[in-house]
Amino acid sequence: AQSVTQPDIHITVSEGASLELRCNYSYGATPYLFWYVQSPGQGLQLLLKYFSGDTLVQGIKGFEAEFKRSQSSFNLRKPSVHWSDAAEYFCAVVPSGGSYIPTFGRGTSLIVHP
Amino acid sequence: EAGVAQSPRYKIIEKRQSVAFWCNPISGHATLYWYQQILGQGPKLLIQFQNNGVVDDSQLPKDRFSAERLKGVDSTLKIQPAKLEDSAVYLCASSPAGTVTGELFFGEGSRLTVL
Repeated sequence: AQSVTQPDIHITVSEGASLELRCNYSYGATPYLFWYVQSPGQGLQLLLKYFSGDTLVQGIKGFEAEFKRSQSSFNLRKPSVHWSDAAEYFCAVVPSGGSYIPTFGRGTSLIVHP
Repeated sequence: EAGVAQSPRYKIIEKRQSVAFWCNPISGHATLYWYQQILGQGPKLLIQFQNNGVVDDSQLPKDRFSAERLKGVDSTLKIQPAKLEDSAVYLCASSPAGTVTGELFFGEGSRLTVL
């Protein structure tokens, strides 16, 4: 069955430390891949996306993500976390070639310690 | 550019009552989505519109949920009668039609509490 998995429910990091949030997908063909961020009480905002080409994509707010076909993964990274990065992060996939309906993972809650 | 507008932001009702949520997408966006986000879970698609036509409503509980987008602009999502398990944030999102742009623009959501 097609699915998108975020294995970590919560991640805690210290301010200034590096961050990696995991996302794995299970689809027949490589889907389109996205990361969204949701701050408390807010809607979701797109951080970055991957359609094809360079497997390392840059996004807003200093985030980047790397697509690894062999691992069916699209992990989100940031070299130095700021306290304002505390939020919920969602990985989303859209099957390529089908109707454009994004499916979201369960989310990872990022906690930043001072 | 104005974003996606949703109202009300918060609603508390008792089970078996009805409730309606309104969404006004970004001007010119032909595609409109309603998602349900239960606490601790990712958003789950309820219905997708392309202009005023339904693209996908396979996960909409049609015995109690209904949605319309009569003029292809704003949309209303209704729940009647509500159940306890309908407590969630209802997110509206929009995107331009045509090529896959990759980005959905979300409103701030309408938080429903069913007592």
